[in-house]
Amino acid sequence: NAGVTQTPKFRILKIGQSMTLQCTQDMNHNYMYWYRQDPGMGLKLIYYSVGAGITDKGEVPNGYNVSRSTTEDFPLRLELAAPSQTSVYFCASNPSPSNEKLFFGSGTQLSVL
Amino acid sequence: KQEVTQIPAALSVPEGENLVLNCSFTDSAIYNLQWFRQDPGKGLTSLLLIQSSQREQTSGRLNASLDKSSGRSTLYIAASQPGDSATYLCAVFDGMGGKLIFGQGTELSVKP
Repeated sequence: NAGVTQTPKFRILKIGQSMTLQCTQDMNHNYMYWYRQDPGMGLKLIYYSVGAGITDKGEVPNGYNVSRSTTEDFPLRLELAAPSQTSVYFCASNPSPSNEKLFFGSGTQLSVL
Repeated sequence: KQEVTQIPAALSVPEGENLVLNCSFTDSAIYNLQWFRQDPGKGLTSLLLIQSSQREQTSGRLNASLDKSSGRSTLYIAASQPGDSATYLCAVFDGMGGKLIFGQGTELSVKP
């Protein structure tokens, strides 16, 4: 099993550009999450999904969009990139948050200049 | 609103020492608590998960305890090694929509 796979690993965007961060998992997990991590800070939840076709906002959803058309894939879309979106983005998944460990991807380092 | 705090932000110890990392949370109504390890430039790896009905969990040289009533958890690392150097984060799941709330982490450095 590959686990949780994120692409790309690094990306530089200009202000106003758009991009999609890809995330796929091969563990048949229902729950998937997008977090951002800023230097010296903990992780902040952007969006999450409890299953295909269902998504919901986390703590910091502004400027982002998600979709979940399949169990495996949970892409994160940045529209009109801003310098405040410079961060490391992590995708994660688990079968159930009430009693199962959370599995993380290796992250995408994004810089908006 | 649930808040998770980890103190200290950084810790440096000589190799071989036993050490304790701390995690506190403001709302005791949690389902579980997880401890994670993060190496520089990498994702997080879950080390231990403690359910709200449990008092502790052990994995090798790691032991995590949970005291819900006081809103505290500790991660005990026995006989520390340079390879234990990493940032350790704790996170609680309080049943609200499936999301975990993370602390800011403790950066551990174990000196040879």
